[in-house]
Amino acid sequence: GEDVEQSLFLSVREGDSSVINCTYTDSSSTYLYWYKQEPGAGLQLLTYIFSNMDMKQDQRLTVLLNKKDKHLSLRIADTQTGDSAIYFCAEILLTFGNEKLTFGTGTRLTIIP
Amino acid sequence: DAGVTQSPTHLIKTRGQQVTLRCSPKSGHDTVSWYQQALGQGPQFIFQYYEEEERQRGNFPDRFSGHQFPNYSSELNVNALLLGDSALYLCASSKTGLSYEQYFGPGTRLTVT
Repeated sequence: GEDVEQSLFLSVREGDSSVINCTYTDSSSTYLYWYKQEPGAGLQLLTYIFSNMDMKQDQRLTVLLNKKDKHLSLRIADTQTGDSAIYFCAEILLTFGNEKLTFGTGTRLTIIP
Repeated sequence: DAGVTQSPTHLIKTRGQQVTLRCSPKSGHDTVSWYQQALGQGPQFIFQYYEEEERQRGNFPDRFSGHQFPNYSSELNVNALLLGDSALYLCASSKTGLSYEQYFGPGTRLTVT
């Protein structure tokens, strides 16, 4: 079955890099995602990676995928106060008639000045 | 280009009542998915609508029902409200063939007292 796990909390000093980790169980996952949620807001799609890729970089964001270990990570370079939020890892199978996102419980990123 | 919009923003209902939440998808999108996010949890998939029909459903009781209109907008209805239905209800839209890109609205915060 599908299951996505994340650590609940991460604290990082402003200017350092943040690394948020996620593990998933379904090896059939087609796409893996990172969403950002600020207090009282909806989900913002940050980036996603196709399951046949190992890495994707987009400005300050780097996504690494280890399919063997079913491990996904999000690295945020030069972390700023505006990066404070909850970050959700999610997967989707994209088989016919099955296009739902399965989310982890989220990692709350706190920036230390 | 308007993104996904949802109404109302907040809603307070009493146990046993019924509620209707509304979603307008992003321009060009034809598929709408609904998610429930309880406090401190990741979003859980409720159901997905395409071509005015429910295409896929998560593990939610029949008290949760929906509808999609010819203009692709959608409604989520919840009958016989329980205290446990208090949550943030998120709508996500996507375009058929590009279902791996799901964009979320700001959500409707439902409080059941």
